[in-house]
Parts: sequence; C-alpha cells; structure tokens
Amino acid sequence: DARVTQTPRHKVTEMGQEVTMRCQPILGHNTVFWYRQTMMQGLELLAYFRNRAPLDDSGMPKDRFSAEMPDATLATLKIQPSEPRDSAVYFCASGLVISQGNTEAFFGQGTRLTVV
Amino acid sequence: GQQVMQIPQYQHVQEGEDFTTYCNSSTTLSNIQWYKQRPGGHPVFLIQLVKSGEVKKQKRLTFQFGEAKKNSSLHITATQTTDVGTYFCAGRANAGKSTFGDGTTLTVKP
Repeated sequence: DARVTQTPRHKVTEMGQEVTMRCQPILGHNTVFWYRQTMMQGLELLAYFRNRAPLDDSGMPKDRFSAEMPDATLATLKIQPSEPRDSAVYFCASGLVISQGNTEAFFGQGTRLTVV
Repeated sequence: GQQVMQIPQYQHVQEGEDFTTYCNSSTTLSNIQWYKQRPGGHPVFLIQLVKSGEVKKQKRLTFQFGEAKKNSSLHITATQTTDVGTYFCAGRANAGKSTFGDGTTLTVKP
C-alpha cells in the first residue's frame, strides 16, 4: 500500500531551535509538495519540486525556511530559527505529473509542529 | 495572484439532506481538484475535472466544472455521518500551481 511517509508526526520545540521535517514520497512520483495548514490561513503551498528540482518556493519565508530533496526518496523542510507563529501542521504530498497535466496529490499524515 | 474562493465556509445538515459546496476562481483554470479532509486527518484526493462543463459522479457525490472553467461544485445527495469533514477545491491555472480554497466544513446530525 503506497503512501507518503512523514516524520516526525509531532514535534514540540522551543523558539529559536532548528526543526527538520522529513518526507518520503511515493516511489515513482516525480513531484513533491510541502503545505502548511493552520486554522487562520488554511492550506498554504510552501514549495514544490519536480524531478528533485525546486520549481516554486514563493510561499515560503526565505529567511528561515528551506526545502531540499537530497535524493528521490527524501524531501526535507527545515526551519531555523523556529518561531511560535510557525506552529502548524505541515503536510508533504507527492504526485506524478506527465507533460502539462497533473495527477492527484497524495498527502502524508502531516507533522504537527508546536513552537513554544 | 490567483484566488480560489469556497462557499459556504460551514454547513450543518440533518442526515439524509443534500449538501453543496461551491468553488470560484478569479482566473480561468486548466483543471480543478477536490479533496476531503476528515477531522484530525490529511487531505485525500477525490477527483480531478479538466473539461469545460464536465460532470463526474462518484456514488452520492456529483462534481461539476463550469463552462467558463472558473467555477466548480460538489454536491452530495442524502448525506451520511461518514460524509463529515472539510471539502477543499484546488484550482490550477494554465501556467501556475494549484491554489487551495479555504474549504467547506460539513457536519451531519444523525
């Protein structure tokens, strides 16, 4: 049963600390998305990659957030330094895009981040 | 930039009643997707619509894509308690990325 795996599921950290969230996309998928979900802002696209190359990270605060794909089986989202306003659920999703179309995004179960 | 609006924000129905959520985009879309998120869960893909005027059905769910490809709707016939959750649309403009609406949260009273 193919699924997107995210770790950790929950993270509580102190303000100023570095946070790294990891995502293993579904094998064979060529697109990876990072979303943030809060009650106030809803689902926000932070960044997405295609074939491991970053295509769009305009939704991501550049000064503290960074997203990478070291290889096809791992995507990371890092926050340094973390702030209380970063508290949210962070979802990773993967999909397979062929030419101009796009298929559905399969979401992981999310990382619930709390910054105190 | 592209905006995707969903209405209503919340809908509470009696079990057996119908439910409809609407999605409107500020720009013409190349496709639109619908997702469902159960409380405490993650978004799960329901369907993708691509063609102008397209209508697709999944059991009690009917999805429509407007003729102008700027709006879409999801209709649930005879709601059940298992339908509770938040329904999101995500619209993709021709050269852009998908933008999610704020979602419609459905609650169903048994």
